[in-house]
Formats: sequence, structure tokens, C-alpha cells
Amino acid sequence: GAVVSQHPSRVICKSGTSVKIECRSLDFQATTMFWYRQFPKQSLMLMATSNEGSKATYEQGVEKDKFLINHASLTLSTLTVTSAHPEDSSFYICSVWGEYEQYFGPGTRLTVT
Amino acid sequence: DQQVKQNSPSLSVQEGRISILNCDYTNSMFDYFLWYKKYPAEGPTFLISISSIKDKNEDGRFTVFLNKSAKHLSLHIVPSQPGDSAVYFCAASALDDYKLSFGAGTTVTVRA
Repeated sequence: GAVVSQHPSRVICKSGTSVKIECRSLDFQATTMFWYRQFPKQSLMLMATSNEGSKATYEQGVEKDKFLINHASLTLSTLTVTSAHPEDSSFYICSVWGEYEQYFGPGTRLTVT
Repeated sequence: DQQVKQNSPSLSVQEGRISILNCDYTNSMFDYFLWYKKYPAEGPTFLISISSIKDKNEDGRFTVFLNKSAKHLSLHIVPSQPGDSAVYFCAASALDDYKLSFGAGTTVTVRA
């Protein structure tokens, strides 16, 4: 199956700064990647669909100007959390579709102080 | 609006016994269902899936049952092992839609 990596695994930033999270599909060319967010003891919530070479599609309630997604190649999608606030602290996970299932990255723990 | 529901937040089972996790969905367009296992601070890992043309799929100790008329699926783990202790998520997608909708998860604890 597809191997998906994320970097960094953990990041702490100050309120008001921006943070970039990378998602790489290591052995699979992905025209579409997905970004999820998981708050403690809650479900995974789809934030947006990242499309290679075009604009991302955001789910209802997700601010596209705050969560910038760039999918510049078939193996890399980035999520930038702009002007981060403490309420943005969460676990961010990306995924790609394989043949029968979505493969998830290991996640990035973002803490905004 | 939660389209996939896992109403049991936790389940405790003795090692060697059967674990049964339940999942209900409301969207009649869902036709593909997956179960994922997740440890804290890690991404979910795929366990087993089932399409709507089947009512059962088995893979080793894991079996998923689908009841389309009731919009209900379940995951059976037998025998349960201590390494099965994790959070289990049910997910669903509709035909030609690549998005997955997840349930809230069930935390399984297998007692030795």
C-alpha cells in the first residue's frame, strides 16, 4: 500500500505566526490528497481536498484563507496554518487513496501557545 | 450533521473473547465502508473494508458485517488480543465520491 509521510510530527508555535505542514506520498503518485483534523477524543474531520495543479476544495466551515493548501506535485501537498491561534491546536493528518482504501500519514501535532 | 455514528465510545473485553464494534450511518448513498485502527498520536491504519454488494467480509481475526436495510455495520474481532487495544473508527464513502466520513470512534481495551 501507499506510504504517506508528514513533516514535522510535532510543532509548537506562537499565536499569530504561520506553520507549514508537509504531506508526502512516498511511493504513489497522488493527484488528490486529503487533509483532516482531529481534536482530542473526537472524530477525524475532513478539512479539504487537495488537488494537484489546481485549487483545493474546502469543507463547509473551513476558512480557505486561514488554511492554505498547495499541491504542487503528485507527491507533495502542504497545509499552512496562517495567523495561528490556540484554538487551531490539533492533530492534522493527511491521506491518499490507494486501490481500495485511504492511506493516512502519521499526523502532525500542532500546539499554538 | 454526523452521517456516521459509533454510539459506544468505549468497549472493554477480556483477552481471547470476541470484540463487537457497531456503526450506524444515515446517508443512503454510502456504498463503501471501512474500519480503521488508531493509536494515540499516530495516523489511522486500515483494517478491513466492505462494499455494499456484500454483507460480510473476513480477513483473519477481523470480520465486517453490513446490513444495508438497517444502515448498520459491525466489526468483529476474534479472538481479541492485548495489541488490539486502540481506537477504532468506522468510515464510509459514496459512489464516485472520494471523501470519507468518519464516526467518532470506539476505544477498545483488551484485558489480559
